[in-house]
Amino acid sequence: AQSVTQLGSHVSVSEGALVLLRCNYSSSVPPYLFWYVQYPNQGLQLLLKYTSAATLVKGINGFEAEFKKSETSFHLTKPSAHMSDAAEYFCAVMSGGGADGLTFGKGTHLIIQP
Amino acid sequence: DAGVIQSPRHEVTEMGQEVTLRCKPISGHNSLFWYRQTMMRGLELLIYFNNNVPIDDSGMPEDRFSAKMPNASFSTLKIQPSEPRDSAVYFCASSTSGGNNEQFFGPGTRLTVL
Repeated sequence: AQSVTQLGSHVSVSEGALVLLRCNYSSSVPPYLFWYVQYPNQGLQLLLKYTSAATLVKGINGFEAEFKKSETSFHLTKPSAHMSDAAEYFCAVMSGGGADGLTFGKGTHLIIQP
Repeated sequence: DAGVIQSPRHEVTEMGQEVTLRCKPISGHNSLFWYRQTMMRGLELLIYFNNNVPIDDSGMPEDRFSAKMPNASFSTLKIQPSEPRDSAVYFCASSTSGGNNEQFFGPGTRLTVL
């Protein structure tokens, strides 16, 4: 069985500050890991994904995430927050081995303060 | 290019009625996924298809739920009879085969059962 834990249902940062959204996973096999973003009343959009090619993954909109096997973590960061980053962020895991459904964390609502 | 198309975008129905949600995946994608999003349970995988064949329906909550994929360009999720606790946003997603391939999400159908 696989699972994802996102620490903090809400994270508030000031515009221009570092964004850090935490994600820990459990998986019985080497996982594929994803970060998705959801803007209000919209579907989910992929930010980035880890597929074992490199532990530091760069995504869209200046976000990146680092896979740390020893910590079973895949935290999402962005050096400088913009107001447009305000959204819901989901970490997800998929077990390797072929097309499969995603197991999502509960999500973290990112609030950007001016 | 058109993304994943879902219809209707909003559905309001009364308890006991039949509800049918529709999804058209991205052309060329051979995996299709149905997810449900609620405040209490977050995002949950209901069922997924590969090459029109249901692979895993363990997430389907009850026998009241059924899903079909009669061809590569169309899928339905049916709830009969509907109950208030089925109120949620239902997302359809599609991808090409391969465990690390991005799932593209539709805009969702917001279902309200009165």
